[in-house]
Amino acid sequence: EVQLVESGGGLVMPGGSLRLSCAASGFPFISYGMNWVRQAPGKGLEWVSSISSGGSYIYYGDSVKGRFTISRDNAKKSLFLQMNSLRAEDTAVYYCAREGYSGSNFDCWGQGTLVTVSS
Amino acid sequence: ENVLTQSPATLSLSPGERATLSCRASQSVSSSSLAWYQQKPGQAPRLLIYGASNRATGIPDRFSGSGSGTDFSLTISRLEPEDFAVYYCQQRSNWLFTFGPGTKVGIK
Repeated sequence: EVQLVESGGGLVMPGGSLRLSCAASGFPFISYGMNWVRQAPGKGLEWVSSISSGGSYIYYGDSVKGRFTISRDNAKKSLFLQMNSLRAEDTAVYYCAREGYSGSNFDCWGQGTLVTVSS
Repeated sequence: ENVLTQSPATLSLSPGERATLSCRASQSVSSSSLAWYQQKPGQAPRLLIYGASNRATGIPDRFSGSGSGTDFSLTISRLEPEDFAVYYCQQRSNWLFTFGPGTKVGIK
């Protein structure tokens, strides 16, 4: 069974840092591009960042560029998101999502981990 | 950035009725890059349609997608109780993914 399990969310003060992890199983992790997508409370979906299967190509949404860093460890089948200089507007559920075969959609999602930025 | 607009924002229908959701892009979208998702409260989104018209694995055939260029639609032929949810369209252009704001399909 294909599975993505996020962890690392929690409460952090503005300006603080947090590192999210996503553990993958049930598929050849090394063959897939991976992404982080977030959803603020009561709001829609926002793509955050993507990383290619080998880790060579990395992209970020404008709202997190320069503050967040995506990475992966293919040997450990894990995806990461290092979040620095956190702001109240970064409060959201963060989903780990696998790119579909065409690379244009997200065909598998984790259950999400909640990040709350508040003093 | 290719902005996606969805209409209506809310759709109130009864089980058994037909639902038609619209997604309009500010710039032309490659059909291979247009997808639809369903999200229920407290759950992660689920891929329904990819490549504008292809059902994802396990998706019932009452769900269908169509369209090209800047105008796309998702149709649910006969609403089942489990279909009441929020639906998002999504596209990829170059390296950037964008989502529409969503359409909530509620019970009338």
